[in-house]
Amino acid sequence: EPEVTQTPSHQVTQMGQEVILRCVPISNHLYFYWYRQILGQKVEFLVSFYNNEISEKSEIFDDQFSVERPDGSNFTLKIRSTKLEDSAMYFCASAGNTEAFFGQGTRLTVV
Amino acid sequence: KQEVTQIPAALSVPEGENLVLNCSFTDSAIYNLQWFRQDPGKGLTSLLLIQSSQREQTSGRLNASLDKSSGRSTLYIAASQPGDSATYLCAVRPARDSNYQLIWGAGTKLIIKP
Repeated sequence: EPEVTQTPSHQVTQMGQEVILRCVPISNHLYFYWYRQILGQKVEFLVSFYNNEISEKSEIFDDQFSVERPDGSNFTLKIRSTKLEDSAMYFCASAGNTEAFFGQGTRLTVV
Repeated sequence: KQEVTQIPAALSVPEGENLVLNCSFTDSAIYNLQWFRQDPGKGLTSLLLIQSSQREQTSGRLNASLDKSSGRSTLYIAASQPGDSATYLCAVRPARDSNYQLIWGAGTKLIIKP
């Protein structure tokens, strides 16, 4: 069964550093997403990506964040100058016309 | 603005009981609704997806219903087992949103006591 793959599963970084979270969506899907979940809180939408560009972004997704699909298969989330409050589980998802499929998440810990 | 609420926030029941988890949403214009399971510190596992035109979906001991007009969905778990202990999340995909993002409830934390 096709699946969304995220790497790494856990990343620890120092405050102020840049991190890149990686995702391999399901190959024939057209819509890609990043969500995050701060410990104990709701899952929050960050950004959606369609046709090689951002189609929508939330208030959370400010200039600190960027997304890329560098090679037509990978889908990355870059967080510049990380802050303590960026510590969360980050989920990548992809969708065709119906169901969204999620990766297992990357737990980001900023220290 | 679509909002999703899940009640109760936590539920603890003895093994073997049948139980119902509730999800409500404020805007009935949805494309579909998904139920997910999340184990502590882990990822999101999709359990069931109900399209807006459907009334229910079943998978094994799980049955999800959808009443779009009243803005409600329920997840029924039959013959609960300790392995069912997890947080159950519902998420709706608004019909008016062409980007298909999901709007999430806060989840129901379920504990099944052996």
